[in-house]
Amino acid sequence: SQKIEQNSEALNIQEGKTATLTCNYTNYSPAYLQWYRQDPGRGPVFLLLIRENEKEKRKERLKVTFDTTLKQSLFHITASQPADSATYLCALFLRNSGNTPLVFGKGTRLSVIA
Amino acid sequence: DAGVTQSPTHLIKTRGQQVTLRCSPKSGHDTVSWYQQALGQEPQFIFQYYEEEERQRGNFPDRFSGHQFPNYSSELNVNALLLGDSALYLCASSSQGRRRNQPQHFGDGTRLSIL
Repeated sequence: SQKIEQNSEALNIQEGKTATLTCNYTNYSPAYLQWYRQDPGRGPVFLLLIRENEKEKRKERLKVTFDTTLKQSLFHITASQPADSATYLCALFLRNSGNTPLVFGKGTRLSVIA
Repeated sequence: DAGVTQSPTHLIKTRGQQVTLRCSPKSGHDTVSWYQQALGQEPQFIFQYYEEEERQRGNFPDRFSGHQFPNYSSELNVNALLLGDSALYLCASSSQGRRRNQPQHFGDGTRLSIL
């Protein structure tokens, strides 16, 4: 069956450390992958997009990798801050998706402790 | 520049009733998608509108219907409400045209509670 798994429901790290979140998928062939941030009671906010032929993308303190052989994406936040605390969602854009173009994982709730 | 706006922010209905939710896309965007997000779950794709037509639809029953207007705003209608329809309903817009692989800009949703 098709599924997207994000490494854990919750991740706690100390301020200043690097947070690494994992997104694994099975039985999908995504054309690209996106990462979103969602705060409680708010809509998701787009962070980064990486295409299947790209290995790595960076934006300020954020870095995303995409390994289509391992069927895995890693999302890194360096020098983490308490303001980075939120739920982070990965989403796959599916090629020839039929009826559902964008499929989300359940998210990882990140808490950065001062 | 206003982002995606949704109304109302909160709504309480009873089983069997009908509801209409509204969305104005970000300026310059022509495509609107609707998602349902149950508490503690991921957003689930309902459908997408482009050029006033439903372009794609997820696995939702016909009780869920929508509309897009010439100004690109959109409505989501749900008939015969069930308790399980309680969720945060998110609208997302993008400037896709024929290109479907653009990032989504989300509104903050309408929290629908069914009693």
